[in-house]
Amino acid sequence: AQSVTQLGSHVSVSEGALVLLRCNYSSSVPPYLFWYVQYPNQGLQLLLKYTSAATLVKGINGFEAEFKKSETSFHLTKPSAHMSDAAEYFCAVSVGNSGGYQKVTFGIGTKLQVIP
Amino acid sequence: EPEVTQTPSHQVTQMGQEVILRCVPISNHLYFYWYRQILGQKVEFLVSFYNNEISEKSEIFDDQFSVERPDGSNFTLKIRSTKLEDSAMYFCASSPSLGDTQYFGPGTRLTVL
Repeated sequence: AQSVTQLGSHVSVSEGALVLLRCNYSSSVPPYLFWYVQYPNQGLQLLLKYTSAATLVKGINGFEAEFKKSETSFHLTKPSAHMSDAAEYFCAVSVGNSGGYQKVTFGIGTKLQVIP
Repeated sequence: EPEVTQTPSHQVTQMGQEVILRCVPISNHLYFYWYRQILGQKVEFLVSFYNNEISEKSEIFDDQFSVERPDGSNFTLKIRSTKLEDSAMYFCASSPSLGDTQYFGPGTRLTVL
């Protein structure tokens, strides 16, 4: 079974500081990994995804994530937080299954607060 | 840029009533999904749909739920007899191919009174 664990349901950073949102996954087969962002009263927007190509994945809005198989991690980072980054971030996993179909399993989410 | 749309944005219903949530997936996508997010909880997979049939469903997706693609553009989720615990945000998603990125709609907030 696939699952993700997000450490820290709430994270606060100062504007201009490093953003680090942690995600660990569990999967019996090589996974696809995603980060989605949800702004207040809006839907889920894909930030970036890992699909077994480069382990360092760059996404929109200056975010990036690194797939580390040895640590089963896929942490999301941004060098310098902006006020507009305040949102809820979801790590998600999907497992390829020949002959089957891929559901996406989400983590609980991390709310990012950016302090001016 | 093409996007998934959902209507209505907010639906209020009485317990026991039927509701239909509507989605228009991205036009060249072949795989369709419904997820829900109960307030304060995880986004949970409900069902996936391909080639006019359910391809996978979760244990949440019981006989009270059904999905349909009534025409070439809409994808609907029906809840036959709503319960209080069905109150949630329901997200539709679509993807162009198996294993490809799923693009999510803005969601329909369902409130069951």
